Amino acid sequence: AQSVTQPDIHITVSEGASLELRCNYSYGATPYLFWYVQSPGQGLQLLLKYFSGDTLVQGIKGFEAEFKRSQSSFNLRKPSVHWSDAAEYFCAVGAFRVTGGGNKLTFGTGTQLKVEL
Amino acid sequence: DGGITQSPKYLFRKEGQNVTLSCEQNLNHDAMYWYRQDPGQGLRLIYYSQIVNDFQKGDIAEGYSVSREKKESFPLTVTSAQKNPTAFYLCASSTEGHSYEQYFGPGTRLTVT
Repeated sequence: AQSVTQPDIHITVSEGASLELRCNYSYGATPYLFWYVQSPGQGLQLLLKYFSGDTLVQGIKGFEAEFKRSQSSFNLRKPSVHWSDAAEYFCAVGAFRVTGGGNKLTFGTGTQLKVEL
Repeated sequence: DGGITQSPKYLFRKEGQNVTLSCEQNLNHDAMYWYRQDPGQGLRLIYYSQIVNDFQKGDIAEGYSVSREKKESFPLTVTSAQKNPTAFYLCASSTEGHSYEQYFGPGTRLTVT
C-alpha cells in the first residue's frame, strides 16, 4: 500500500525567505505525485503534479517541486515566500487502476506554514 | 463557472441522528470522492465512485453510506453508527485519463453533540 510522510507539522519562515516543504512517499511503482494547498476552512487547491518526464515541475503561485526517485521524495519549494502563502500544504500520491477501479489518492498529514512579516 | 458545491457549509446535529451532506459537480467528471479531515490526520478516504450507480468503500467507510444516482451528485450520509462524526468533510471529483488530479469542493463542517 502506498503512503506519504510529511515530517514537518509546522514551519515558520520570514516573508521573502525561501521555503522547502518535505514529502516522502512509499509506492511500489512509478508514483503520480501531487501538492495541494488549503486555506483555513476551505477546500484543497492543486499546486502542481508529477506524472513523468522532467523531474522538476512548475506549479501555480511560483511553487515548484522536484521528484527524486532515489530518495522517494517530492519536496515543494518557493524561492521567496509571501505572507499570503500561509496555509496548510498536503502532499499526495496516486494509485491507478487498483482493484475495483478508481484513482485513489493517499495524503500526507500536512504541513502548516506560518509566514512572519 | 464549473466547480464543485457542497452544502451546507456548517451543519449541526444531535447524537443519534442521521445527516446527509450534499455534493454537486458540473465539471462532467466521472469519478467522485468523499474525504474526512481531522486535525493532524490529513485526509482520509471514505467512499469513492467511478461511475453512476457504482461506488467503493475507502479506508474509513464504517458508519457512512453514499449513493450515485446521477453523474453530478454524490451525497454522503453520516449515520448514527459513526462513532465520532464531528469533522470537516470534503468532496472531490476527477476525470478519467492520464491527469487524475482531483478537484475539491469547499467542504462541510459537521458538528454532532
